[in-house]
Amino acid sequence: GIQVEQSPPDLILQEGANSTLRCNFSDSVNNLQWFHQNPWGQLINLFYIPSGTKQNGRLSATTVATERYSLLYISSSQTTDSGVYFCAGPSGGYQKVTFGTGTKLQVIP
Amino acid sequence: NAGVMQNPRHLVRRRGQEARLRCSPVKGHSHVYWYRQLPEEGLKFMVYLQKENIIDESGMPKERFSAEFPKEGPSILRIQQVVRGDSAAYFCASSRLASYNEQFFGPGTRLTVL
Repeated sequence: GIQVEQSPPDLILQEGANSTLRCNFSDSVNNLQWFHQNPWGQLINLFYIPSGTKQNGRLSATTVATERYSLLYISSSQTTDSGVYFCAGPSGGYQKVTFGTGTKLQVIP
Repeated sequence: NAGVMQNPRHLVRRRGQEARLRCSPVKGHSHVYWYRQLPEEGLKFMVYLQKENIIDESGMPKERFSAEFPKEGPSILRIQQVVRGDSAAYFCASSRLASYNEQFFGPGTRLTVL
């Protein structure tokens, strides 16, 4: 199956700052998702983004499938953005999904 | 539309007991997946089911773990004779289509084995 690496592993931001999170895949992917796991453990779908760029409020994501990476942009960060951000892509047949190791984000006031 | 529902949200068991975790997929979704998240780790695939069929259980431990998705009712992940190492968050996801499609996750069940 594919390997998924995320960077940075940890990130501390001052409220209002911008950041970019990166996800690298060991093989080309035709679909990719970004998730936010909040401090209470809930997993929230952010983007389903096989390729191109999508935006949702202060968040946007770009996937370049041919170069095996995806980026998540967070602008004007807020304390509620804290948590762990995961990217995930298909691995093998039957829709198995492999998750990255996550980026732990802490936004401080 | 209701999302993926899981219950219970928290489950405490003593070593040797059985744990039953339930998952109701998004209405209209017939593909269900179970993932396990150990403390401070990412989610790991366990099993993929369609109605009445196990399609891929390559991530499931060979012993004590089983899963089903009956024609009627929720999907069940069953862990027999739980051990402390089974303590984790168990997430269920569902998707609509057969080919790779966006997966929607439930809130998870947090299992604690005493």
